[in-house]
Amino acid sequence: EVQLVESGGGLVQPGRSLRLSCAASGFTFDDYAMHWVRQVPGKGLEWVSGISWNSGRIDYADSVKGRFTVSRDNAKNSLYLQMNSLRVEDTALYYCAKDLKYSGSTFEYWGQGTLVTVSS
Amino acid sequence: QSALTQPPSASGSPGQSVTISCTGTSSDVGGYNYVSWYQQHPGKAPKLIIYEVSKRPSGVPDRFSGSRSGNTASLTVSGLQAEDEADYYCSSYAGSNKGVFGGGTKLTVL
Repeated sequence: EVQLVESGGGLVQPGRSLRLSCAASGFTFDDYAMHWVRQVPGKGLEWVSGISWNSGRIDYADSVKGRFTVSRDNAKNSLYLQMNSLRVEDTALYYCAKDLKYSGSTFEYWGQGTLVTVSS
Repeated sequence: QSALTQPPSASGSPGQSVTISCTGTSSDVGGYNYVSWYQQHPGKAPKLIIYEVSKRPSGVPDRFSGSRSGNTASLTVSGLQAEDEADYYCSSYAGSNKGVFGGGTKLTVL
């Protein structure tokens, strides 16, 4: 059974940093691309970042480019999102999602999300 | 990356069919065979129900079907059931590992 468990969310002040983690199990982690997708409570989904199976291709939404950094550790079956210079508008539930393939943007499985609240 | 365009709401009675549209551009919906649809019930994570325009993952009822014409993709739910009431999002590949979502459609079963 595929499981994705996000952690690291919380309350943080504007301008500060936070690091999210996603622990994956139930599949061969290094065979698939992974993504972060966020959702403001009550609003729609926004793709944030994607990383290919070997970290060779990494992309970001324009809204987070230059502030967020995605990475993965295939030995630990883990995905990360380093979020710097956080803004109030980054407040959202952050989901980790497994891709259908080694590269792309089809979100086959999702975690339950970790809530990030940016507020002074 | 502009969001894909979906109607904010749709509705139908039990047993009826309803179609939700998703309009993009030739750089996303119309340019790749990688349009997907997600169902999200309140308080739950999204669930993949259609991928690569018209394919269904194992376990998804065949009442759900997908299609595309030009830059517009569509999700049709046939034989509506009460449990189909949810938010539906389309998504498209937009190059490399980039994705783009629609704004979401709230489906109400009357």
